[in-house]
Amino acid sequence: EIVLTQSPGTLSLSPGERATLSCRASQSVSSSYVAWYQQKPGQAPRLLIYAASSRATGIPDRFSGSGSGTDFTLTISRLEPGDFAVYYCQQYGSSPYSFGQGTKLEI
Amino acid sequence: EVQLVESGGGLVQPGGSLRLSCAASGFSFADYAMHWVRQAPGKGLDWVCGIGWNSGSIGYADSVRGRFTISRDSANNSLYLQMTSLRADDMALYYCAKGPSHQFNSGTTFFDSWGQGTLVTVSS
Repeated sequence: EIVLTQSPGTLSLSPGERATLSCRASQSVSSSYVAWYQQKPGQAPRLLIYAASSRATGIPDRFSGSGSGTDFTLTISRLEPGDFAVYYCQQYGSSPYSFGQGTKLEI
Repeated sequence: EVQLVESGGGLVQPGGSLRLSCAASGFSFADYAMHWVRQAPGKGLDWVCGIGWNSGSIGYADSVRGRFTISRDSANNSLYLQMTSLRADDMALYYCAKGPSHQFNSGTTFFDSWGQGTLVTVSS
């Protein structure tokens, strides 16, 4: 089973700044099958990135993903007030399809 | 617009059973794999199970295998989760989620649309 560890647990930034969120896998993720989701309080998660670097439909280009093997990154350039939320990475290269524990992005 | 509406959650005693439903609209339900993902109160996300477009491919997390059964009725655009032998650690908000293609396998098991969830509480 692949364990995903996200860091930092909490990231405190201001609007206009750049956020870099990390997701490290306990073993290599096949074909970079990593997705990123955003979840705001009381809402369902929203898909941001799939296949490590492909933006989902309707996601602004301020959101970008990168990485391969065991190390993956979600970068949010020029933070906006609506970006403050919890972010999860997920690997879907092998079952069970696991999530990281989340990074809380706060003001 | 994709809409997924879960129902069937509630309070159940340990060892009890519950059946969740998900009504889908806004897309061709029969053409997509579907999943259940859960989130315990204040915790992270946990994939529970998935089913391919024609029910030919089904998979479960180890924690629920043998106790939960996923099924679908494409004629009625509905996804189901039959849960038995419920335990305290099954207590969570259960989301219905849509896959990106008809297949359910590694490489396609991410979730591009989600419902708002239905809460399952397991307590005596």
